[in-house]
Amino acid sequence: GQQLNQSPQSMFIQEGEDVSMNCTSSSIFNTWLWYKQDPGEGPVLLIALYKAGELTSNGRLTAQFGITRKDSFLNISASIPSDVGIYFCAGPNRDDKIIFGKGTRLHILP
Amino acid sequence: DGGITQSPKYLFRKEGQNVTLSCEQNLNHDAMYWYRQDPGQGLRLIYYSQIVNDFQKGDIAEGYSVSREKKESFPLTVTSAQKNPTAFYLCASSPSVGYTFGSGTRLTVV
Repeated sequence: GQQLNQSPQSMFIQEGEDVSMNCTSSSIFNTWLWYKQDPGEGPVLLIALYKAGELTSNGRLTAQFGITRKDSFLNISASIPSDVGIYFCAGPNRDDKIIFGKGTRLHILP
Repeated sequence: DGGITQSPKYLFRKEGQNVTLSCEQNLNHDAMYWYRQDPGQGLRLIYYSQIVNDFQKGDIAEGYSVSREKKESFPLTVTSAQKNPTAFYLCASSPSVGYTFGSGTRLTVV
């Protein structure tokens, strides 16, 4: 079935650094979603992308819908401690159900 | 404020017992979903309901049951047939593509 592959699985960065993560699939997606999950909480939608090539920002976060429609990227600029958490990409599959990647866990070193 | 409420936050179950996790939403969303989250596994769909009195199995429905008697409520029962129920359970609702999640219930078998 359709799968979303996220990389890296985890990353350790210094506060203030920029972060890049991506999500790829062997199938085409018409919508890409990026969620963030704080420890012990439910995921919260950060950015939704609906068009190939689209670049959308939400504060320090920027996400892009890949031209091939098989990938998406999320960048975080000037990371701060509250950016810690798990970042999930997601998208609707052929049955219109949202499927999720396994997440990228972000750790920030003091 | 509109949102999704999951209760309890923590739940302990003895082996062989059935337990029911509550999910209530006041967002007036038609569709509701239950996901299971295990470390490193992302979110896996258990059951979903698109309208009252109707629901469908997701990818890992075995050992679980649901009901949808009211638009606002979508309880999940973890039965004794579920062999490995210890996990973090997330309920979500949606009017369309972007899901709104509850804060989750952590179930532990003791």
